[in-house]
Amino acid sequence: AQTVTQSQPEMSVQEAETVTLSCTYDTSESDYYLFWYKQPPSRQMILVIRQEAYKQQNATENRFSVNFQKAAKSFSLKISDSQLGDAAMYFCASTNSGNTPLVFGKGTRLSVIA
Amino acid sequence: DVKVTQSSRYLVKRTGEKVFLECVQDMDHENMFWYRQDPGLGLRLIYFSYDVKMKEKGDIPEGYSVSREKKERFSLILESASTNQTSMYLCASSFSSPRDTQYFGPGTRLTVL
Repeated sequence: AQTVTQSQPEMSVQEAETVTLSCTYDTSESDYYLFWYKQPPSRQMILVIRQEAYKQQNATENRFSVNFQKAAKSFSLKISDSQLGDAAMYFCASTNSGNTPLVFGKGTRLSVIA
Repeated sequence: DVKVTQSSRYLVKRTGEKVFLECVQDMDHENMFWYRQDPGLGLRLIYFSYDVKMKEKGDIPEGYSVSREKKERFSLILESASTNQTSMYLCASSFSSPRDTQYFGPGTRLTVL
């Protein structure tokens, strides 16, 4: 069974600085997918970034990028030039190539300090 | 834009009541999911459905049932609500695979007294 671990329940970052949220996962599959989802306060959860395990290149979406270390089973999210609107719960998730539903981590609450 | 709506943002029920939570998506997605979100526990999957009239148990199905009579609608039913079911309930949908982006509803905060 897949497991996803987020070891940082809470993080904080100064506005305009860079922060990295950690995520490790465990799977016996060779083909799988990794995700970061963002849940702003009182707003709907949205996808931030997605990574296919077979792709060696790290995914990037504007100020959001990942550091995918396949051998270490690590999938961290880097947020550059942090903005107040980045304050949210961030969830790491994974699924394999079959029809297995997403497995989510317990989340990291990110605060952005003005 | 994909839209996932949930019937209520806030709901207060009494112990033993039957509770219906409705979720509707407007993008013809095949997959729909019900999660429960509790502080410190993250999102836990209750039930999911990959097609109309199909349902699969997630990680915590006890005390819940679901119904999917139409593709766009996925209902979560608490047959006899208990105080330990007080929680935030999130519905989500995705196009045709768990690997596809999941689109979430705004959530229903259920309080069982």
